[in-house]
Amino acid sequence: DGGITQSPKYLFRKEGQNVTLSCEQNLNHDAMYWYRQDPGQGLRLIYYSQIVNDFQKGDIAEGYSVSREKKESFPLTVTSAQKNPTAFYLCASSNQGAYEKLFFGSGTQLSVL
Amino acid sequence: AQSVTQLGSHVSVSEGALVLLRCNYSSSVPPYLFWYVQYPNQGLQLLLKYTSAATLVKGINGFEAEFKKSETSFHLTKPSAHMSDAAEYFCAVRANQAGTALIFGKGTTLSVSS
Repeated sequence: DGGITQSPKYLFRKEGQNVTLSCEQNLNHDAMYWYRQDPGQGLRLIYYSQIVNDFQKGDIAEGYSVSREKKESFPLTVTSAQKNPTAFYLCASSNQGAYEKLFFGSGTQLSVL
Repeated sequence: AQSVTQLGSHVSVSEGALVLLRCNYSSSVPPYLFWYVQYPNQGLQLLLKYTSAATLVKGINGFEAEFKKSETSFHLTKPSAHMSDAAEYFCAVRANQAGTALIFGKGTTLSVSS
């Protein structure tokens, strides 16, 4: 089945630790996105990538980093600089075109120990 | 820059009543507008989208939305609520230009009582 796979489903981070969230898609989509979901805050854009080896910062990129070495993969690293990392993280992908709908993964819940 | 404002973080209706979820947008260029729904413990899925072809857009599960440029609004409606409509609804906007991403509102939680 085609889709987006996020792993792990739950992740715990210790103080001062970097953690990486995985996002893989087999939909052959060019564009991929990372959003953070907090209660009452909706979805806020962290980073997005329109093409391999290129990505842009979203509204809340500080404390996060990404890479796009392969079309199907867009991992997100939450660095120790992110002081409030506890949230639900959603990855999405789409075809090129501003009118194209996003396909979402099932999310990763990150918590701080 | 583009943004959306969803009026009302929580809306409660009775089963069979009209559902109205409000969304106003801000965009410096012609926008594309979307409504997504997130059912409890499920991922987000597209309800409907406006791409300038028609101002009244029909989506899945009986929902529709009307684009009103003069009011910069894209409100979501359903004539008769069903218990299964209880979910969180997100309005989103994207500028009609290359290199942009989808920007979401803060969401509205819809509760349906019997």
